[in-house]
Amino acid sequence: QVQLQESGPGLVKPSETLSLICTVSGGSMSSYYWSWIRQTPGERLEYIGDIYYTGSTDYNPSLKSRFTISVDTSKNQFSLKVRSVTAADTAVYYCARLGPAATYSYYYYLDVWGKGTTVTVSS
Amino acid sequence: DIVMTQSPLSLPVTPGEPAAISCRSSQSLLHRSGYNYLDWYLQKPGQSPQLLIYLGSNRASGVPDRFNGSGSGTNFTLKISRVEAEDVGVYYCMQALQSRTFGQGTKVEIK
Repeated sequence: QVQLQESGPGLVKPSETLSLICTVSGGSMSSYYWSWIRQTPGERLEYIGDIYYTGSTDYNPSLKSRFTISVDTSKNQFSLKVRSVTAADTAVYYCARLGPAATYSYYYYLDVWGKGTTVTVSS
Repeated sequence: DIVMTQSPLSLPVTPGEPAAISCRSSQSLLHRSGYNYLDWYLQKPGQSPQLLIYLGSNRASGVPDRFNGSGSGTNFTLKISRVEAEDVGVYYCMQALQSRTFGQGTKVEIK
């Protein structure tokens, strides 16, 4: 059974770059998309973006271009970098897998989630 | 951007009674395939969100049949036929037509 585990610093200073890694275990990264989602202190969920195992990315156009997602299939990991962080980036960050729907394979849903990692931006 | 609006935001429920959550999108979620690109997720206390319903009305694997999703275009509903204590948590709808955006969440709690 596929499991995801986020890792990274719990505390980041304003204006610095936040780096998170998601490690995939129990399965291959091939043929899936891999996502980052964050949850604000007010419990709002915000989709950041995703990456195909080949490296093609898609980002939420509503977010400013401070986010970069990359993948390293040799390590079974994908990562998120957030540049120039502010207090507004304080959130629980989840990584998740986008898997194809059983009834319509062109559609992908978030079928496996990590437990999330809390990131606080503060000096 | 597609904006998702849920109601109510808080829903006290009695075990054994039905419950319903509404989700509206600012644009139609009906894809040219004929499917509605909308999912429902449940975040139980202290847990990550989990998939309940996809493509508007399809139950995910292992989801009890008391959960039913319906609707099309811009109006969608998640119904629980008979609420059980384990159903408490925050329910989110999410559109997947243009990137992905979530509703604000509906907190379901036992009366």
